[in-house]
Amino acid sequence: EAGVAQSPRYKIIEKRQSVAFWCNPISGHATLYWYQQILGQGPKLLIQFQNNGVVDDSQLPKDRFSAERLKGVDSTLKIQPAKLEDSAVYLCASSPETGNEKLFFGSGTQLSVL
Amino acid sequence: RKEVEQDPGPFNVPEGATVAFNCTYSNSASQSFFWYRQDCRKEPKLLMSVYSSGNEDGRFTAQLNRASQYISLLIRDSKLSDSATYLCVVTLARQLTFGSGTQLTVLP
Repeated sequence: EAGVAQSPRYKIIEKRQSVAFWCNPISGHATLYWYQQILGQGPKLLIQFQNNGVVDDSQLPKDRFSAERLKGVDSTLKIQPAKLEDSAVYLCASSPETGNEKLFFGSGTQLSVL
Repeated sequence: RKEVEQDPGPFNVPEGATVAFNCTYSNSASQSFFWYRQDCRKEPKLLMSVYSSGNEDGRFTAQLNRASQYISLLIRDSKLSDSATYLCVVTLARQLTFGSGTQLTVLP
């Protein structure tokens, strides 16, 4: 069974530039999550989708971050404009349904903002 | 107070040793509990769920103490391959909160 796919694997940008990350969850998984993991910390939830609807985006910095999951399958996360403190690994995860807390993570995108 | 707190370590133990990690959580209404494992520069992976009655999976034992609001993970007969960061996860209203992780290094 294919796992959660993410791209790119690495991204280096300058502050104030824009960046986008892509995620394709495990086939059939209704719930998709984007997490931010800063070095030395645990993953922090940015946004959670159930199919193509947002379940929780309370910790998403909406002035610069946006995410969509238009067809209820793959998803993109965008940062515009990026700040130095956005340097982190951005992890996508999926689970079969909301309420099933067993998450399957992708390999992540490591973002460096210079 | 953080929602989920873990001792960051690092814990450096010899092969064959027994090691235990604790994790405390602040919200007494928390519903489900898990341990995830994260290898260096890799994604987190589910290690085991934690049940009120305690549960065991091979060399790993997880326990929950709701009265004191902590969960624990015990690893017996440590292997080199157990070296990783162990993340405590607590859920409330379907929202998962991760601890910062405890780093374990098993030495030959």
